[in-house]
Amino acid sequence: DQQVKQNSPSLSVQEGRISILNCDYTNSMFDYFLWYKKYPAEGPTFLISISSIKDKNEDGRFTVFLNKSAKHLSLHIVPSQPGDSAVYFCAASFFNTPLVFGKGTRLSVIA
Amino acid sequence: GAVVSQHPSWVICKSGTSVKIECRSLDFQATTMFWYRQFPKQSLMLMATSNEGSKATYEQGVEKDKFLINHASLTLSTLTVTSAHPEDSSFYICSAKSSAGSGGSYEQYFGPGTRLTVT
Repeated sequence: DQQVKQNSPSLSVQEGRISILNCDYTNSMFDYFLWYKKYPAEGPTFLISISSIKDKNEDGRFTVFLNKSAKHLSLHIVPSQPGDSAVYFCAASFFNTPLVFGKGTRLSVIA
Repeated sequence: GAVVSQHPSWVICKSGTSVKIECRSLDFQATTMFWYRQFPKQSLMLMATSNEGSKATYEQGVEKDKFLINHASLTLSTLTVTSAHPEDSSFYICSAKSSAGSGGSYEQYFGPGTRLTVT
């Protein structure tokens, strides 16, 4: 039973365009959501997060949107750069429990 | 940001031997550390939650006698894979949660990972 789902295993975007990575969750108890970026053979690095009391959080080129009624969040990267090519994991938590991760989406930004 | 290190970064061992992986929080104190395992093209799977000074809590299906976890101090947790077999070959990643208020109690800081290959 996957509580956090990233249904697109891969995504290709041209440099300069917007990348949109999607994530759905099933547990309505989740109240904090995070995105991590991971390069091969490296640990994940924190990218951006959002609390359930917000519907948008922006940090530079990265914006995370949360739609609680749809149990859906998305990460927007604009403009996309070749260095953004990596695997992006969506994660969720509640009451300070361990993070639950999605399976990840591999983003390829083509120059 | 907070830094978590892992040692070794990669290790090759023979079947039947034991391997110890260290996870250290370098610039903060971590009351809680987590150990994850990642199989190729799959998500991070939580193996266990480690709290300083107490026994680790293992996820269902994870053998606690095979994967020994010791959280000896606020900056160090170790994972020992005992009697390793080829199916234990994987990428093991630790993370640490800061006990301080800054950074948010939800955020975890991940180590770079340790690639274990059992021959």
